[in-house]
Amino acid sequence: QTVVTQEPSLTVSPGGTVTLTCASSTGAVTSDYYPNWFQQRPGQAPRPLIYSTNKKHSWAPARFSGSLLGGKAALTLSGVQPEDEADYYCLLYYGGAQLVFGKGTKLTVL
Amino acid sequence: QVQLQESGPGLVKPSETLSLTCTVSGGSINDYYWSWIRQPPGRELEWIGYIHYSGSTNYNPSLKSRVTISVDTSRNQFSLKLNSVTAADTAIYYCARGYSGSRVADYWGQGTLVTVSS
Repeated sequence: QTVVTQEPSLTVSPGGTVTLTCASSTGAVTSDYYPNWFQQRPGQAPRPLIYSTNKKHSWAPARFSGSLLGGKAALTLSGVQPEDEADYYCLLYYGGAQLVFGKGTKLTVL
Repeated sequence: QVQLQESGPGLVKPSETLSLTCTVSGGSINDYYWSWIRQPPGRELEWIGYIHYSGSTNYNPSLKSRVTISVDTSRNQFSLKLNSVTAADTAIYYCARGYSGSRVADYWGQGTLVTVSS
């Protein structure tokens, strides 16, 4: 069974920078996995931020960026705002058969 | 702006079939990929499957034996059926629209909670 691993929790200070990562149990994550990133605030539906590794949705703030880092997909927040406190999920594409979400990272802004 | 709205029973008995419908407004169901995604309370998201407007489908292998997703282009709706449900199927169920098989959820419904209980 394919497992996608994210940091369970991270803490960042307002105005700081933080990188969330997304690893696959099958090996290195490449652009062929088309990583997607979603933000979910409590009681709300997930909001898409990034698709195809680093392409940003039009509504995603400029401080969010996606990349590949050390064999993982990565989401970097630069100049973190209090409203960025949320759960973040990555989604990986495994060819024509499967899409798998990570377990999510709870980001605290403190 | 496209909007999606889930509807269906909020309570389903064990061993019965969960049935949900997603109504699409502000855009046509033609073109695009239409997904179902669920989230058990306090837990992570799980992709259930998607249907292309043409009718082709792709399901999560772990649920494939119990899932059917269908589309009704005349009503601008698509539907989910999950049979033989157990308490483990209790979750918020979301419908979503995507542009491809790898970009399946650009627009989301608000979600609907389905509880499996006798």
